[in-house]
Amino acid sequence: DAGITQSPRHKVTETGTPVTLRCHQTENHRYMYWYRQDPGHGLRLIHYSYGVKDTDKGEVSDGYSVSRSKTEDFLLTLESATSSQTSVYFCAVTGGTRTEAFFGQGTRLTVV
Amino acid sequence: GDSVTQMEGPVTLSEEAFLTINCTYTATGYPSLFWYVQYPGEGLQLLLKATKADDKGSNKGFEATYRKETTSFHLEKGSVQVSDSAVYFCALSDNSGAGSYQLTFGKGTKLSVIP
Repeated sequence: DAGITQSPRHKVTETGTPVTLRCHQTENHRYMYWYRQDPGHGLRLIHYSYGVKDTDKGEVSDGYSVSRSKTEDFLLTLESATSSQTSVYFCAVTGGTRTEAFFGQGTRLTVV
Repeated sequence: GDSVTQMEGPVTLSEEAFLTINCTYTATGYPSLFWYVQYPGEGLQLLLKATKADDKGSNKGFEATYRKETTSFHLEKGSVQVSDSAVYFCALSDNSGAGSYQLTFGKGTKLSVIP
């Protein structure tokens, strides 16, 4: 599993509340990503990071922010959760000479 | 921009049947191509990959060949098992730009194999 841990694994929150999801990796990968998975859409990139404090937007970044203060941790924050952000969120990592990404187990977020 | 189109399914097959899941792509550079598999309740696992034209990726009896002329990367398996029931995603990583290796996914194909 490439040493990737996502927390929490499940969360139910109310509309308008802030939510932070955490991705932790143990193998010093340079690149980290947040994707969301929705029926009929596959996985879509939210934000990614190419180093400590270096991040960029993906395809569906509106309503999300990220931070990476240490190599091993990549945080995804929903500043004010909406029902459209109900989804399964996956963290992924890659780096070195390998082009394939390795995924965490996912966080199921429900916004009510 | 980059895009991946794959057969959406769902696909239901009997055990030992032949499987093909079609995947075509659009990319501006020279992408690497991947098939990922997601078993119920789990994250995505890399099934196989190909990094240049005419490469064949293979794993666990699954195969896919990188066809640049038809921009395709179809997944095949000669004899499926019940344990192959999962959702399969075709994806590409465009390596020609900033090198972020971000993936563009197809929408996924749910495969159910019945005994």
